[in-house]
Formats: sequence, C-alpha cells, structure tokens
Amino acid sequence: DARVTQTPRHKVTEMGQEVTMRCQPILGHNTVFWYRQTMMQGLELLAYFRNRAPLDDSGMPKDRFSAEMPDATLATLKIQPSEPRDSAVYFCASGLVEREQYFGPGTRLTVT
Amino acid sequence: GEDVEQSLFLSVREGDSSVINCTYTDSSSTYLYWYKQEPGAGLQLLTYIFSNMDMKQDQRLTVLLNKKDKHLSLRIADTQTGDSAIYFCAERSGNTGKLIFGQGTTLQVKP
Repeated sequence: DARVTQTPRHKVTEMGQEVTMRCQPILGHNTVFWYRQTMMQGLELLAYFRNRAPLDDSGMPKDRFSAEMPDATLATLKIQPSEPRDSAVYFCASGLVEREQYFGPGTRLTVT
Repeated sequence: GEDVEQSLFLSVREGDSSVINCTYTDSSSTYLYWYKQEPGAGLQLLTYIFSNMDMKQDQRLTVLLNKKDKHLSLRIADTQTGDSAIYFCAERSGNTGKLIFGQGTTLQVKP
C-alpha cells in the first residue's frame, strides 16, 4: 500500500527556531507538492516540484521558507526563523502526473 | 482570480443521499476534484473529472459538472456514518499542478 510519508507528525518549537519538515513521496512519483492548511486561509499551495526541479513557489514566503528535493525520495520544507503565524498543518502530496495528487498525513506545527 | 466556494455544513441521516455542491470561477479549469479529510488525517483523493465531461460515477459516488454554470456536485448514495468528514472541492487550471481548494464542507451523518 504505497503512501506519502511525512516526518515529524507533530512539532512544537519556539519562535526563532529552525524547523525542517520531511516528505517521502510515493516511489516512482515525479511531482511533489507542499501545502499549508490553516483555519483562516484553508489549503494553500506553497511549492511544487516536477522531476526534482522547482516549478512554482509563488505561494511561499521567500524570506523564511525554503523547499528542496535533495533526491527523488526526499522533499524538505524548511522555515528559518519560525514565527507563531507559521503554526499550521503542512501537507506534502505526490503524483505521477500533476492531475493526481496523493496527500501525506501532514505535519502539525505549533510555534510558540 | 481563481476562487472555489462550498457550503460549510451538511447534515443527513444514515442511508440517505448526500449532495455536496461547489462553484468555481476559473473557466480554464481542466480538472475538478473531490477530496475527503477525516479528523487528524491528510486529504484522500476520492475522484476527479475532466472538464469536458459532465458526469462520472464510481460506486456510491456521482460527480456532476455543469461547465456553463461552473458548478460541481458530489452525490454520495446510501450515506454511512463512516462518510462523516470534511469534503473539499478543488480545481486545477491549465497545465499547472496548482490546485485551488474550497473551504471544505463538513458532512455530518446521523444514525
């Protein structure tokens, strides 16, 4: 049963600390997406990659957020420095083609 | 700009049909999606429809698309308590991977 995995599932950190979230896409999928879910804004696309190349990161605050794919089996989303307004659930999704996106269980981030 | 709207809440009795509605604004949408989110979980892709189709059926799920009115609906036949969740409608524009999500409809199924 192929699934997207994300670590950690929960993260509590203090303002100003660096946060790194990791995602393992489904084996063989060549597109990876990062979304953020909050009560106020709902689901927002932060960034997406095709064949490890970033295609769209217009939804991501560039000054503190960065997304990378060091290899085909790992995507990372980093926040440095973190702020309380970054508190949200961060989802990774992957697909073999962009029309199908399969979501991971999410990382719930709390910044105090 | 792109926008997707859904009603926030729907309550039905077990065994009844549920119909969740969605409207979107982007006429260049290529695919439209329905996702299900249970508490504390990620989004589960239920089904999607290409914009040149007007209906798609998959077991208890029926998707209807009215492209002229930019209206999408999801019908769940014989709704069960396990169908209680938040249902998200989403559209994909053109050839980008970007999905625009609605705010989600909470479906409550009463026994």
